Formats: sequence, structure tokens, C-alpha cells
Amino acid sequence: GAVVSQHPSRVICKSGTSVKIECRSLDFQATTMFWYRQFPKQSLMLMATSNEGSKATYEQGVEKDKFLINHASLTLSTLTVTSAHPEDSSFYICSAENLSGGQETQYFGPGTRLLVL
Amino acid sequence: SQKIEQNSEALNIQEGKTATLTCNYTNYSPAYLQWYRQDPGRGPVFLLLIRENEKEKRKERLKVTFDTTLKQSLFHITASQPADSATYLCALGVWNNDMRFGAGTRLTVKP
Repeated sequence: GAVVSQHPSRVICKSGTSVKIECRSLDFQATTMFWYRQFPKQSLMLMATSNEGSKATYEQGVEKDKFLINHASLTLSTLTVTSAHPEDSSFYICSAENLSGGQETQYFGPGTRLLVL
Repeated sequence: SQKIEQNSEALNIQEGKTATLTCNYTNYSPAYLQWYRQDPGRGPVFLLLIRENEKEKRKERLKVTFDTTLKQSLFHITASQPADSATYLCALGVWNNDMRFGAGTRLTVKP
């Protein structure tokens, strides 16, 4: 099946620093990628939809200047958490949409655990 | 307000029994519904998709039903095994292929 990777898998940083998370579709091209955030024992919350070559669409309540998304190619999207604070600590998961076969299927990356001290 | 509710936070069953998980939604009109499996610390893995015009879908030991009148989906795992223990998420496909997830049900299958 389709494979999506994320890097890094875990990151610990100091408050005020910026962290970049990469999401790659390894064996298919993804016009659209999605970024989610998940708190313990809670559902995935969609943060933004990233389309290759255009600006990301952010969900209500998500600060676009804090969570910078770049989708420069059909296989790579990045999420940068700028000036991270402890409340940004969470599990960030990306997914890539694979439309081959007519299925509206998203393939998820393994997630990135961010801890801001 | 819009809600997606999965029947319980946790479900414990005995190996060999059928596990039934429920996903109810309010104030959504999804074009399709998906079920995912998520293991601790990992991203979700796609299991099944069922469209609004489909009543039932099967894949090996998995069965999903979709009742748009009741606004409910049922997810069944027959002949359950300890390896089926995981959190199962339902997700509604809304416009533009955006998806909205339930909080998940943590299934534990005891040997």
C-alpha cells in the first residue's frame, strides 16, 4: 500500500524555538496533504489542508502565522511550528491523499511527537 | 452543533467473539465514512470506506454498515483476536475530501 513518512518522529525543543516537520509520500504523488493534531485520548483535529503549489487552507482557530505549511512538491509538505510554546506539545500527524483507484483514501504518516519545554 | 460520537471510550471482549463498534454523527451529511485502526504512538491505518449509497461493506473479518437515516455506522470484527486490540477511529468524509474524526474506541481482545 501507499507509504507516507514523517520526520522527525520525536522532537524536544525549548520554548521559543521553531520546529519543522516533514511529510513525504514515498510511492505516490499527493496533490493534497493534510495536517492533523492529536491530544491524548482525543480525536484527530484537522489543522490545515495543503495543496501543492498553493497556499494552505487553515481550519478555524488555527493560526496560520504560527503553523507554517509549505507544499513545494507533489511528495513533500512541511509544517513549521514557529516560536513553539509548551501548549504546542502534541502529536502531529500528516496524511496524503491518494486518488488512484477512485478511492478517497488518505494515507497517514507515523506521526511526530513534539514536546516543548 | 456538529458531533461525531463513538460508542464508548473502551471496549473489552473475549477472543473469538464479535466486536461491534458504533459511530454516530450529528449535523453532518457525509459523502462517505471510513474506519481506521490506530496503535499507540502511531498514525491511523485505513481499513474500510463506505459511501453514502452503500449499506454494507466487508473485508475479510471486518464488516461496516452505514445508515444515513439513523446517522450511524457500525463496525464489526468477527472472530476477534488479541492482535485486533487497538483504537478504532471513524472518520466522516465531508466536502472537498476533508475528514472529521471521532475520538475513537479502544478495543481490547482478551485471550
